[in-house]
Amino acid sequence: KAGVTQTPRYLIKTRGQQVTLSCSPISGHRSVSWYQQTPGQGLQFLFEYFSETQRNKGNFPGRFSGRQFSNSRSEMNVSTLELGDSALYLCASSLDELPYNEQFFGPGTRLTVL
Amino acid sequence: AQKVTQAQTEISVVEKEDVTLDCVYETRDTTYYLFWYKQPPSGELVFLIRRNSFDEQNEISGRYSWNFQKSTSSFNFTITASQVVDSAVYFCALSEANAGNMLTFGGGTRLMVKP
Repeated sequence: KAGVTQTPRYLIKTRGQQVTLSCSPISGHRSVSWYQQTPGQGLQFLFEYFSETQRNKGNFPGRFSGRQFSNSRSEMNVSTLELGDSALYLCASSLDELPYNEQFFGPGTRLTVL
Repeated sequence: AQKVTQAQTEISVVEKEDVTLDCVYETRDTTYYLFWYKQPPSGELVFLIRRNSFDEQNEISGRYSWNFQKSTSSFNFTITASQVVDSAVYFCALSEANAGNMLTFGGGTRLMVKP
């Protein structure tokens, strides 16, 4: 069974640009969550999608948005990039929305904002 | 609000030593779930264990063992006879029953095992 895949793996953008990251969950998984990892703030929850609906959202500005498609694939978008958005963005998939399920993480997308 | 604290930011041991990684959590929920993840240099988080708040039984899996104590809100992780391949960052995380798949992570403990 293929794991969680994230594309692209690396991105370099400049301030003010926007970026879209993609995540394909494990086949059969319907929940996708996104996390931001930085040296200063650690791992922080961005949002969770289940059955194309956003179920939870972390404490991030509106520049961060996401969506989920009918095949459970998810994208997250960051508009008007800031230097502080440089981070490793991790996607996790889970069977459903129940909190006790194991979440499987992808390898991440490393975003650098110049 | 929920919180997870891993007081040890970095631990260095010599191969074959035993090492314990501490995790303390805060939550107001009576139903919650605790996790440990390993993050090797490749960056991908690898699931190690899950515990629910009603199950305080300790668990052993090979060289790994976990001690869950509700009385002290702790969920500590011990590696016995550490190996160089255990070198990684280890994260403790918490999810609450009403918060879906949202994980609150601790700051992580970087474990370095030297040969």
